[in-house]
Amino acid sequence: AQKITQTQPGMFVQEKEAVTLDCTYDTSDQSYGLFWYKQPSSGEMIFLIYQGSYDEQNATEGRYSLNFQKARKSANLVISASQLGDSAMYFCAMRDFNTGTASKLTFGTGTRLQVTL
Amino acid sequence: DTAVSQTPKYLVTQMGNDKSIKCEQNLGHDTMYWYKQDSKKFLKIMFSYNNKELIINETVPNRFSPKSPDKAHLNLHINSLELGDSAVYFCASSPDRGREKLFFGSGTQLSVL
Repeated sequence: AQKITQTQPGMFVQEKEAVTLDCTYDTSDQSYGLFWYKQPSSGEMIFLIYQGSYDEQNATEGRYSLNFQKARKSANLVISASQLGDSAMYFCAMRDFNTGTASKLTFGTGTRLQVTL
Repeated sequence: DTAVSQTPKYLVTQMGNDKSIKCEQNLGHDTMYWYKQDSKKFLKIMFSYNNKELIINETVPNRFSPKSPDKAHLNLHINSLELGDSAVYFCASSPDRGREKLFFGSGTQLSVL
């Protein structure tokens, strides 16, 4: 069974600083995808970044980058130059790519990020 | 245009009532999902449909019944509502069963009194 672990229930970061949100995962599958979603206080789920298990380079999307360490089974999200609008819940999620089975997104428990002045 | 829209956004009801949440996506996706987010913000899949066929059915009380009249719609009907059903319910869709990200609706906050 897949499992996603986010060990930081809450994080603080000063505006304009970088912050790393931790995510470790457990799977016996060789082919899978890792996702990060942001949930602001308004409640919607916003896709941030994706990393495939066979991607050789770490994914980047603007100020977001994913520090993917396959051997350690970690997929940490790095947010550079934090902004007040980055204050939100952040969820790490994993999807297996087994053929012949229904594929679902399994979420971690989330990290609440607060950006301060 | 909203890609994944679900209605209503808020639903307040008494225990024992039956209620439905509707979801529609205009992205042409084949797969749709229902997720439940509890009071601790934990998100868990409930159901998934691919082209109107049920492909994921997690351990959910049979008071919950999804219905997909076509691949653009996935509704969730809940019978005999209980206090523990209070949560945010998210509809989502994706282009296929596997590799693509999920596009989420804005959620339905269900409060059972």
